[in-house]
Amino acid sequence: GQSLEQPSEVTAVEGAIVQINCTYQTSGFYGLSWYQQHDGGAPTFLSYNGLDGLEETGRFSSFLSRSDSYGYLLLQELQMKDSASYFCAVRDEGYNQGGKLIFGQGTELSVKP
Amino acid sequence: NAGVTQTPKFQVLKTGQSMTLQCAQDMNHEYMSWYRQDPGMGLRLIHYSVGAGITDQGEVPNGYNVSRSTTEDFPLRLLSAAPSQTSVYFCASSLEDRSGYTFGSGTRLTVV
Repeated sequence: GQSLEQPSEVTAVEGAIVQINCTYQTSGFYGLSWYQQHDGGAPTFLSYNGLDGLEETGRFSSFLSRSDSYGYLLLQELQMKDSASYFCAVRDEGYNQGGKLIFGQGTELSVKP
Repeated sequence: NAGVTQTPKFQVLKTGQSMTLQCAQDMNHEYMSWYRQDPGMGLRLIHYSVGAGITDQGEVPNGYNVSRSTTEDFPLRLLSAAPSQTSVYFCASSLEDRSGYTFGSGTRLTVV
């Protein structure tokens, strides 16, 4: 089975940089994903790390260290609209590989003016 | 290109009633999943499918059935609704892990 741990909430000010950590325990590892969810809305995909290192997409970056079973999401130049919940997710060993994506409990990010 | 479509958006059921939540995608994705989300909680996987005719249980499958007769559709059936099944249900689909899952807008279900 899988377990993922991330902080329940983080607060930062507009224009700052914030890092949301995720540690995981898996029986096998097939990559770490990040999703954003605004209150009441559908989750949206942000990034995927299959190998160690940093992946950058605009103001968002995601990092993975497989040896430490650890990853993080880095948000730069924070904007008020970045206030949302952020989830890390890993794929569990499932039927015929693929498809069994398990989510962490989520980190609620509040961006203050 | 509609993405992932879920119906209905809202539903109120009485305890013991059954119903089917519909999910359809038009992106030719092989992977489809159902999640439930309770207040302040993460997304918990109910059932998932890796292609037509292939389904498997997730983290919280009890009380739910699924089938996948076509690539496009993945309905979720509640057999006998219970108040504990009051939740927001999300359907999602994906081509592969690295491209991420596309989620539907959700079905808000209340069981009274």
